[in-house]
Amino acid sequence: KAGVTQTPRYLIKTRGQQVTLSCSPISGHRSVSWYQQTPGQGLQFLFEYFSETQRNKGNFPGRFSGRQFSNSRSEMNVSTLELGDSALYLCASSGGEVQETQYFGPGTRLLVL
Amino acid sequence: GDSVTQMEGPVTLSEEAFLTINCTYTATGYPSLFWYVQYPGEGLQLLLKATKADDKGSNKGFEATYRKETTSFHLEKGSVQVSDSAVYFCARHNAGGTSYGKLTFGQGTILTVHP
Repeated sequence: KAGVTQTPRYLIKTRGQQVTLSCSPISGHRSVSWYQQTPGQGLQFLFEYFSETQRNKGNFPGRFSGRQFSNSRSEMNVSTLELGDSALYLCASSGGEVQETQYFGPGTRLLVL
Repeated sequence: GDSVTQMEGPVTLSEEAFLTINCTYTATGYPSLFWYVQYPGEGLQLLLKATKADDKGSNKGFEATYRKETTSFHLEKGSVQVSDSAVYFCARHNAGGTSYGKLTFGQGTILTVHP
């Protein structure tokens, strides 16, 4: 089975711009979670989608949003980028049951200048 | 709140040395516990997991036992290799509908193994 894929792998943006990141889960997985990884804050949960519905959300400002499509692929969007949004953004997929194992993609590294 | 605490790194060992990375979690609910590993420039790979007290997860020579009485899930390996050099994350995933998709991670421990 193919693993979780994320595109693009690297991205450079300037402050004030917006960005969209994409995640394709493992075939058959219906849940996609997003995380932000930074040296200072570590790994923090952004949100989770299941069957096109957001079921859970972390403590991030409204500039961070996401969606999921009927084929379970997910996108996250960050508007009005700030320097502090520079991070590795990871998505993970699972079957969707609570406490089920999550499998991670390689991440998208975003640099905001 | 729910949290995970890992031993501070970095940890530097010689090849074939014994490894222990400590992990403790807050005793709320009945979490599942995980160890993930991250190699440079990559995402997280699942190393092992345990879903209830006294379960032992194991993979690639690594082991960890879910200890409810000490709220711990320490990672151990009897003989490390240079290829084990990476960052290791302990994580918990709570039960309950409000926890959908949310893993809570420790801060990560950098392991460097020298030949």
